[in-house]
This record gives sequence, structure tokens and C-alpha cells, in this order.
Amino acid sequence: QSALTQPASVSGSPGQSITISCTGTSSDVGFYNHVSWYQRHPGKAPKLIISDVASRPSGVPSRFSGSKSGNTASLTISGLQAEDEAYYFCSSFTSSTTFYVFGTGTDVTVL
Amino acid sequence: QVQLVQSGAEVKKPGSSVKVSCAASGGTFSSYTANWVRQAPGQGLEWMGRIIPRYGTTNYAQKFQDRVTFTADESASTAFMELSGLRFDDTAVYYCARGGSVAVTALYHFDFWGQGTPVTVSS
Repeated sequence: QSALTQPASVSGSPGQSITISCTGTSSDVGFYNHVSWYQRHPGKAPKLIISDVASRPSGVPSRFSGSKSGNTASLTISGLQAEDEAYYFCSSFTSSTTFYVFGTGTDVTVL
Repeated sequence: QVQLVQSGAEVKKPGSSVKVSCAASGGTFSSYTANWVRQAPGQGLEWMGRIIPRYGTTNYAQKFQDRVTFTADESASTAFMELSGLRFDDTAVYYCARGGSVAVTALYHFDFWGQGTPVTVSS
């Protein structure tokens, strides 16, 4: 099972919008609406920020949004803030015997 | 708020075993699964498998199924991951994460994560 492909790094200035892509296959991202996104600050536990493509858990700021088109899911951060500087990764349920596959991860830098 | 607290860093010799614990506070694994995920240096995250503590049912990723064992103490809301036959490329941060299953709660994401346990395999 291959990992989902994400850009290694994305950067933006405060207030700008950035988008992180997560590209899989027709066996995972393209087939299931079970893509989730996580944020991880250095030394901290990962935090769920988007589930099932576009659902935002309680307490997650509305500037985080998710979407999907074909085999690619996307996380958009609108109105980038300094505290959004972190490592982001996606995950998808998959039809393989390895139930879940993760993205390669993206470092977001706020300039 | 659920917190998953994992055991501390480990340094192990090749060929030995490591056992990592994951204790839930402010909630339980009772209606969920305890998943284990690892991230080697410079690599992406990798799902190792899961256990349904309520039933003791396990699912192992094919890559690990010959070397990993998941157990759980439901009364203590604690899950355990034991990896044997350690190799240098098992050096990684190991995470536990609460998830779901159609057998308990149908979640397809991981709603809470532990802080990670660094495991270093070194001679």
C-alpha cells in the first residue's frame, strides 16, 4: 500500500490562504469519503482537524476546510495565523487489508 | 477531553522486543479501537494495526503481522503494543490513536492521539 502524496512544504504570509493536496488512488481517496486531516506541532500529539473529507470537529477553527475531487483531497487554511505553523498529514480508509493509509506529510511555514 | 498518555522513550538492541503502553484518561477505549501508527525519521506515518479492547479483536497490517502483538486492559483503559525482532529500521516514533470499527463505533478517523513514544534500535 503506497502512501498518499502531499507536498513536502507549503508557506504563506499571515492572512493568506494556503491549500495542501493529498493524492491517492481509486482504492482509497477516490473511493471512500473517509479522508481525514491532522495537525501536529513539534513534540505534541497530532490533532484531528478534518474528518470524512470536510467535517470539522468541535473546537476546530472555521478557517480550516476540506474538500475532495477524484483521487485528490485538499485542506485549505484561510486567513493563515502564526499558530498554524505545524506539520499536517492526511489519512484515508482503504480497501486494502491495511485499513488506513497516510499522507507523506507537509510542513506549513507562516512567513 | 480524552487524553492518551504513552510510556516513555526506549532504546533497544537489534533482535530484542519493545512494549509500549497507551493509557486513556477522561474517556475510554471501550466503544472504540486502539490503533498503532509509527513514523520513522524522515518518513510518513504508517498504520500498524488496531485492537478492539472490548472484544480483544485485532487487525494487523501485513507488514507487521509476524512481529507485532496488540493487547488491552479494558478495565484500566490501557492498550499495549509489543514489537519483537527489532531491526534498525524499526527506529521510529510510535503513536497510539483512538479510532473506530463497524463492530463498535463506526469512525473512519482517529479522534485522539497519544504524544508518541520514540523507540531507538541501536547496537
